[in-house]
Amino acid sequence: GEDVEQSLFLSVREGDSSVINCTYTDSSSTYLYWYKQEPGAGLQLLTYIFSNMDMKQDQRLTVLLNKKDKHLSLRIADTQTGDSAIYFCAETPPGSQGNLIFGKGTKLSVKP
Amino acid sequence: DAGVTQSPTHLIKTRGQQVTLRCSPKSGHDTVSWYQQALGQGPQFIFQYYEEEERQRGNFPDRFSGHQFPNYSSELNVNALLLGDSALYLCASSLRAGVSQPQHFGDGTRLSIL
Repeated sequence: GEDVEQSLFLSVREGDSSVINCTYTDSSSTYLYWYKQEPGAGLQLLTYIFSNMDMKQDQRLTVLLNKKDKHLSLRIADTQTGDSAIYFCAETPPGSQGNLIFGKGTKLSVKP
Repeated sequence: DAGVTQSPTHLIKTRGQQVTLRCSPKSGHDTVSWYQQALGQGPQFIFQYYEEEERQRGNFPDRFSGHQFPNYSSELNVNALLLGDSALYLCASSLRAGVSQPQHFGDGTRLSIL
């Protein structure tokens, strides 16, 4: 496909782990990113992974990359109500000069 | 450390008018990119400025133009506004165009066209 694809909604209970999945378009993309957007705000860079890595961990966040399947996931451990937001996956295909192609975002709802 | 700042935060215009949005990049960044985010969608790349020149452009008409100043700040201009131009306009800054450095976003300008 030609679009970065994400499921639109995810609902979890506080304290559980959340896993947000993304399928990107170009296996040659150099970097892959996760951004968070809270209501009425811009995008906050959460983490990113270089294409020669298959995993990156940063505190409660774990990113897994499967280049063969062009699949990226973001795991949030011990999800809190403050994690409720829209999460965007983005890629930088070759020739893009570092500019981002985004998915439509996954809305994460955390129930107390 | 000042992040990316955009002004104004909200703007209301009518069809056919022209608008200018402004962006100051994060301290130390020299490259500015602009994105349009329609309601319920991911951001779409408009164009990127580096060394005061437009370096790359997305699939947007010529009604969308921009400028970058010597202090790296940038403006986005939209002429002959259409209802479909209603969106959140996001500015992102990074260091050195052409190198995959993370882009940092401002809080955006919400533009409403009546």
